[in-house]
Amino acid sequence: QSALTQPPSASGSPGQSVTISCTGTSSDIGGYNYVSWYQQHPGKAPKLMIYEVSKRPSGVPDRFSGSKSGNTASLTVSGLQAEDEADYYCSSYAGTNNYVFGTGTKVTVL
Amino acid sequence: EVQLVESGGGLVQPGRSLRLSCAASGFTFDDYGMHWVRQAPGKGLEWVSGISWSGNNVVYADSVKGRFTISRDNAKNSLFLQMSSLRVEDTALYYCAKRSPERSFDYWGQGALVTVSS
Repeated sequence: QSALTQPPSASGSPGQSVTISCTGTSSDIGGYNYVSWYQQHPGKAPKLMIYEVSKRPSGVPDRFSGSKSGNTASLTVSGLQAEDEADYYCSSYAGTNNYVFGTGTKVTVL
Repeated sequence: EVQLVESGGGLVQPGRSLRLSCAASGFTFDDYGMHWVRQAPGKGLEWVSGISWSGNNVVYADSVKGRFTISRDNAKNSLFLQMSSLRVEDTALYYCAKRSPERSFDYWGQGALVTVSS
């Protein structure tokens, strides 16, 4: 149950795009299409942004998109806005109702 | 509106026990699996434990296996986490989370802070 690996930080100017990677193994990301992404602002609870690799819940802007290749998933935020500055965590189903989270990435809007 | 409200957090000495509760509303509680996720101060999210809709299937992270027990009372729309033999490293904000059919966590509570210190 090792944490998924994310870069500690990422940044971009308003209007630009930023992509965050999330690397796991064949036992989690590579084995299931159940990757999700969460946004967390300081002092707030996490918010679901992407589920099943690339699907957006109602209300999440289409600036947020997800993908997966092999054991690595990615989240892209296009057209960066100030309110996108937050911590982002990936998560993957790991079989028999087990889950694993990523190490987290702090996104800064320059 | 879905609401998850945790309670029961506090300061506890190492080796002691504490029980967290999560009161759910706004959805049919016994249709969904529920989970606990924790976040140590300044650190990332860590999945802790999960329970099926019926309560018949429970799972735990290796870090808490044998010390924590998850349970639920569907008649009272409540989720619980009994924590025993607490360690300093269990200090964290504990979130209750609803599991979606698509195996993500679509709703979260605001968390209950557990501090383990002598």
